Amino acid sequence: AQKVTQAQTEISVVEKEDVTLDCVYETRDTTYYLFWYKQPPSGELVFLIRRNSFDEQNEISGRYSWNFQKSTSSFNFTITASQVVDSAVYFCALSEAEDNQGGKLIFGQGTELSVKP
Amino acid sequence: DSGVTQTPKHLITATGQRVTLRCSPRSGDLSVYWYQQSLDQGLQFLIQYYNGEERAKGNILERFSAQQFPDLHSELNLSSLELGDSALYFCASSDTSGGDAGELFFGEGSRLTVL
Repeated sequence: AQKVTQAQTEISVVEKEDVTLDCVYETRDTTYYLFWYKQPPSGELVFLIRRNSFDEQNEISGRYSWNFQKSTSSFNFTITASQVVDSAVYFCALSEAEDNQGGKLIFGQGTELSVKP
Repeated sequence: DSGVTQTPKHLITATGQRVTLRCSPRSGDLSVYWYQQSLDQGLQFLIQYYNGEERAKGNILERFSAQQFPDLHSELNLSSLELGDSALYFCASSDTSGGDAGELFFGEGSRLTVL
């Protein structure tokens, strides 16, 4: 069965600290996609990244970086030098490509990040 | 601004009533998805339409139904409402049919409160 686990419910850091949000997933498919979304206090869901199961290269985008490890079924997200504007709920999600279900996202429970000045 | 428009933004109604949530996808996107976000269940996929046809179904209750119209806008109908239906309902759109999971663009959501 497909499942996404974000074990950290809440994380609180002080501005400029680095923080890593953990994501562990379960799937039987060989082709799948992993996502991170950000939900700021205003409520909308903002796309951050998509990664397919055949691309294990880590990715960096500014202060954001992602570490994908198939061996441990993890797709962790690190924010370097955190800022108050990073305060939000972050969701990891999984999508399976078989049976044309690629558009159906299975979300983790989310990690609420609070960055204090 | 994702380009996905949802109305209404807020809705308060009573148990037993019926409501309709509306979604206009991004220009050119053929797929529309509905998700429910509640405190109990988190973010859950409800249903997907692609170019007017149902493409995938999730944990959508029988009291709920959706459709996508020829102009590609979609409506989610919720009937015989219960207190537990109170949630934030998101619509998302993408330019893919589902086999290849592209980026989903989410609207700002419709917050439904059932009293």
